[in-house]
Amino acid sequence: EVVLEESGGRPVRPGESLRLSCAGSGFAFEQYGMSWVRQRPGKGLEWVSSTNWNAGTTIHAGPVKGRFTISRDNGKRLLFLQMNNLRVEDTASYYCAREALGRGAFRGSLTHWGLGTMVTVSS
Amino acid sequence: QYVLTQPPSASGSPGQSVTISCTGTSSDIGSYNYVSWYQQHPGKAPRAIIYDVTQRPSGVPSRFSGSRSGNTASLIVSGLQPEDEADYYCSSYAGSSIVFGGGTKLTVL
Repeated sequence: EVVLEESGGRPVRPGESLRLSCAGSGFAFEQYGMSWVRQRPGKGLEWVSSTNWNAGTTIHAGPVKGRFTISRDNGKRLLFLQMNNLRVEDTASYYCAREALGRGAFRGSLTHWGLGTMVTVSS
Repeated sequence: QYVLTQPPSASGSPGQSVTISCTGTSSDIGSYNYVSWYQQHPGKAPRAIIYDVTQRPSGVPSRFSGSRSGNTASLIVSGLQPEDEADYYCSSYAGSSIVFGGGTKLTVL
């Protein structure tokens, strides 16, 4: 069974940093592209970042570019999201998600999701 | 705002069919075979019900199907069930990003 478990979310002040982690199990972690998607309270889904199988290719959404960095440790089966200079508008539940197929790349075909971790940015 | 356009709401009675549209552009839906649909119940994580335009993940009932015509993708729910009441989101690969629709609240009357 594919399981994704996010951790690291907590309340922080504007300008602070936070690193989210996502542990994957039940599949060949190193063969799959992975993504982070967030959802602000009461709002829709918003794509944040994606990585291919070895983090050789990563992309980030405009609102987080230059502040957030996606990375992964295939040996430990972990996906990360380093979040710097956090803003109030980054307050959201952050989900990690796995691509449908082990084709190595990311294509936004996110068939497996974690339960999410909440990040609250407030002064 | 959201790149893909979905109707904010849709409804149908049990047993009926409902279609939810998702309109993009030639830079996303019109260019790539990577349209996905997600179902989300209140307080729950999203669940994929369609990926790669027409593919159903394991365990998703066959009453859910997807299609695409030009820059518009559609989710068809046949034989509506009470448990289908949820929010539905479409997404598409767009080359250098992944874009989402704003979501459609499906009500089963």
